[in-house]
Amino acid sequence: GAGVSQSPSNKVTEKGKDVELRCDPISGHTALYWYRQSLGQGLEFLIYFQGNSAPDKSGLPSDRFSAERTGGSVSTLTIQRTQQEDSAVYLCASSYIVRGVAGALGELFFGEGSRLTVL
Amino acid sequence: GENVEQHPSTLSVQEGDSAVIKCTYSDSASNYFPWYKQELGKRPQLIIDIRSNVGEKKDQRIAVTLNKTAKHFSLHITETQPEDSAVYFCAPRRDSWGKLQFGAGTQVVVTP
Repeated sequence: GAGVSQSPSNKVTEKGKDVELRCDPISGHTALYWYRQSLGQGLEFLIYFQGNSAPDKSGLPSDRFSAERTGGSVSTLTIQRTQQEDSAVYLCASSYIVRGVAGALGELFFGEGSRLTVL
Repeated sequence: GENVEQHPSTLSVQEGDSAVIKCTYSDSASNYFPWYKQELGKRPQLIIDIRSNVGEKKDQRIAVTLNKTAKHFSLHITETQPEDSAVYFCAPRRDSWGKLQFGAGTQVVVTP
C-alpha cells in the first residue's frame, strides 16, 4: 500500500482479555518498529524488527507483550491478559535502508496507530 | 543506549515569532539527527533531518543546526504560524540497526 497500515484503529476490551494489533508496513521496508504513546505522553519504544528477527525486545513492558513479523512484512503485537495501564495508542513505523550509506536507515513512516482502551 | 533530552518541554510563542527547541544526546557515535512533528490526534511525521557531515540545513521556515562536539542539535522555526502548533520530537541515532529513542517531546503553541 501507499503507507503504513494499522488495524484495528480502535479497540475496546475488558481487563484480562487478549488483544492483537496488526501492522502492515510499506512494501520493501526492512525495518519495523512498535511504539506506545499514552495520552499526552512521548513515544515509548517497545520492539523493532530487522527483517523477521527482533534483536532488541528490551522495551516490551512485561512478558504479557509479544510481537512477531512474518515474511518480512506484516507484524502483530499481542498483549495477553490486558490491564488498564495498557490503555494507549500503539504506533507502528517502518523504514528502509538508505542506498550508499552502510547500515543507514531512512526516516520512519508511522501508521495512524491503534487506540487500545482496557476497561 | 542513547539518552535523549529535549528542552523546553512546552513553548508558547506569538504568531510571527521564532521558536527554538534543543535536543541533547549522549551517544557520540550518533550521526543522523531528525525532527518529527505530531499534530493533535495525528501520526508523527518527519519534517527535517540532518547527517553529521553537515552543520546546518534549512527548508523554508524550518532549520536544524548541529553541534557534534557538544552533542546537541536544534530545531528552529521562523515566522511561526498557528499550523506550527504541535508536539515536536527529536530522535538522534547512529547509522546501524538498533532501537530508536525519541526525546520526550516539546509542545509548541502558537497564539495568533
